[in-house]
Amino acid sequence: DAKTTQPTSMDCAEGRAANLPCNHSTISGNEYVYWYRQIHSQGPQYIIHGLKNNETNEMASLIITEDRKSSTLILPHATLRDTAVYYCIVSANTGNQFYFGTGTSLTVIP
Amino acid sequence: GAVVSQHPSWVICKSGTSVKIECRSLDFQATTMFWYRQFPKQSLMLMATSNEGSKATYEQGVEKDKFLINHASLTLSTLTVTSAHPEDSSFYICSASRQASSYEQYFGPGTRLTVT
Repeated sequence: DAKTTQPTSMDCAEGRAANLPCNHSTISGNEYVYWYRQIHSQGPQYIIHGLKNNETNEMASLIITEDRKSSTLILPHATLRDTAVYYCIVSANTGNQFYFGTGTSLTVIP
Repeated sequence: GAVVSQHPSWVICKSGTSVKIECRSLDFQATTMFWYRQFPKQSLMLMATSNEGSKATYEQGVEKDKFLINHASLTLSTLTVTSAHPEDSSFYICSASRQASSYEQYFGPGTRLTVT
């Protein structure tokens, strides 16, 4: 079963930062936090992942709270192409099955 | 790097026939591959985990005799839906994981199966 909860949907104005929260209060010490997104009828696309430190790459930033019970994905300047369902997943570094929750449907508004 | 392909991208078959879907890691060796199913407006559901050279591990409620998985090499896994029925119509997605410190998965583009 998925160990994450996310808001069902969010809107964001084009050009503004999109902040997508995720709760994972039962995360274990060896579990990473992964973020993926899925545009309609395509396979999920990897965005970013982290263990306990904040991470940044060319797509997004990941902020993980000190207790690791929640995280926030930040898209710094949302574009229309960022409209997608965003999934937050926690998975251990062994076995690494992904159990997807319902995700957040992000709509970027012109 | 880390590209995963699936073939076919879509398939229509008649009820009672079998359909094979291929999943390939194009530029890396995948120690583990995964198969998911996604119904319309729903999330991805993990069906099975496949390691090269060994039997797949199926999630609870997934019939192993209906969904045959073969992982013959480090770059290829196949899913065969046997005796397909209309309720098997779905979007089937594979992913591949390469051994690394954090085990991220790379997903294929998916295969749309329609059973008539």
